[in-house]
Amino acid sequence: EAQVTQNPRYLITVTGKKLTVTCSQNMNHEYMSWYRQDPGLGLRQIYYSMNVEVTDKGDVPEGYKVSRKEKRNFPLILESPSPNQTSLYFCASSPRQGSSNYGYTFGSGTRLTVV
Amino acid sequence: KNQVEQSPQSLIILEGKNCTLQCNYTVSPFSNLRWYKQDTGRGPVSLTIMTFSENTKSNGRYTATLDADTKQSSLHITASQLSDSASYICVVSAINRGSTLGRLYFGRGTQLTVWP
Repeated sequence: EAQVTQNPRYLITVTGKKLTVTCSQNMNHEYMSWYRQDPGLGLRQIYYSMNVEVTDKGDVPEGYKVSRKEKRNFPLILESPSPNQTSLYFCASSPRQGSSNYGYTFGSGTRLTVV
Repeated sequence: KNQVEQSPQSLIILEGKNCTLQCNYTVSPFSNLRWYKQDTGRGPVSLTIMTFSENTKSNGRYTATLDADTKQSSLHITASQLSDSASYICVVSAINRGSTLGRLYFGRGTQLTVWP
């Protein structure tokens, strides 16, 4: 089944403890992206990747890192999480960014709580 | 500044009724516009995708329209069902160049509730 898989689904951590949220897609998509969703603010783009080894900042990149060493994986790294990073996170992929023929496939989300 | 504004913020309708959601954008240069449905706590699911040259696109009971001149889009839901209760999100892409490369612009969504 074609899908975007995020892990974990739920995570509670303490301030300052490094964590990684994984994202993997099995559709050979070039484009992958991370978003956070907060009440009243909608989805905001954190980082995106146009292809392997090509990443760029979205609207809210502060406090996050990403890497794209392989086409299928795009992990989101929080080096020193803070409570303001408590949010619902989504990973998405698309065959190519900008293509009008394809939508974006989203993962099921990761609910992160930083205490 | 590239922005996407959706209205209304929330909407309650009775089962079987029709409704229309609005999306206004200032994203330029425009590439395409997508409508997504998001159930609570789940990832968004694509409903329609429209390019500059497309005025209308349907997906079952969902019909999206686009007026590229006025930079407005609408999503019309016909004969609503309880399962239509969700957030509907408008997403606009700019043509890939310069600072807009790879960027998506999201509306904050319209929360639709369908009552029996």
